[in-house]
Amino acid sequence: QQQVRQSPQSLTVWEGETAILNCSYEDSTFDYFPWYWQFPRESPALLIAIRPVSNKKEDGRFTIFFNKREKKLSLHITDSQPGDSATYFCAASVSGSWQLIFGSGTQLTVMP
Amino acid sequence: EAAVTQSPRNKVTVTGGNVTLSCRQTNSHNYMYWYRQDTGHGLRLIHYSYGAGNLQIGDVPDGYKATRTTQEDFFLLLELASPSQTSLYFCASSEGTGGTETLYFGSGTRLTVL
Repeated sequence: QQQVRQSPQSLTVWEGETAILNCSYEDSTFDYFPWYWQFPRESPALLIAIRPVSNKKEDGRFTIFFNKREKKLSLHITDSQPGDSATYFCAASVSGSWQLIFGSGTQLTVMP
Repeated sequence: EAAVTQSPRNKVTVTGGNVTLSCRQTNSHNYMYWYRQDTGHGLRLIHYSYGAGNLQIGDVPDGYKATRTTQEDFFLLLELASPSQTSLYFCASSEGTGGTETLYFGSGTRLTVL
């Protein structure tokens, strides 16, 4: 049973467009949602994270929108750049827990 | 520079073989983790540790042993490797529990079991 689901599996956008990556979860006790990105042949690294006290978290061109009622969140990348091409992992956990559950990832390609 | 270093970078073994993957972190972090990454599954936690001599079971522990010899060193052992263990393995460290603390990953070990 996959507790964190991501869609689409792959996404291609043109440079300058907004890319939207979706994530949903099942466990209502999750209260921390980080996004990690992974460039080809590199290791994952933290990109941005949100706690449900807020519905939105912004960091430059990257914004997380969070909908607690629907158990959904999305990562919006505005003015996408070819350098944003990577696999993006949504993850979820409960505060104080060791367990961070990763989704299967969305592979984003930004065409110049 | 704080870092997580894994070795070897690539490893090929045969079914039934004995493999040890090594990880060293210089972050002075208490927590260390072993993940495997497979297409369609994302990252799945195998084992983790919150200090020397400590070992905790993750989500996919079958077929794996681990040992934390010092705060810096964490090893993953496959004593009877199987083709299903062909994967990309990442070690990571965090200051606190990985649930809400940033994970810092090593560069990975690609293991092929023939």
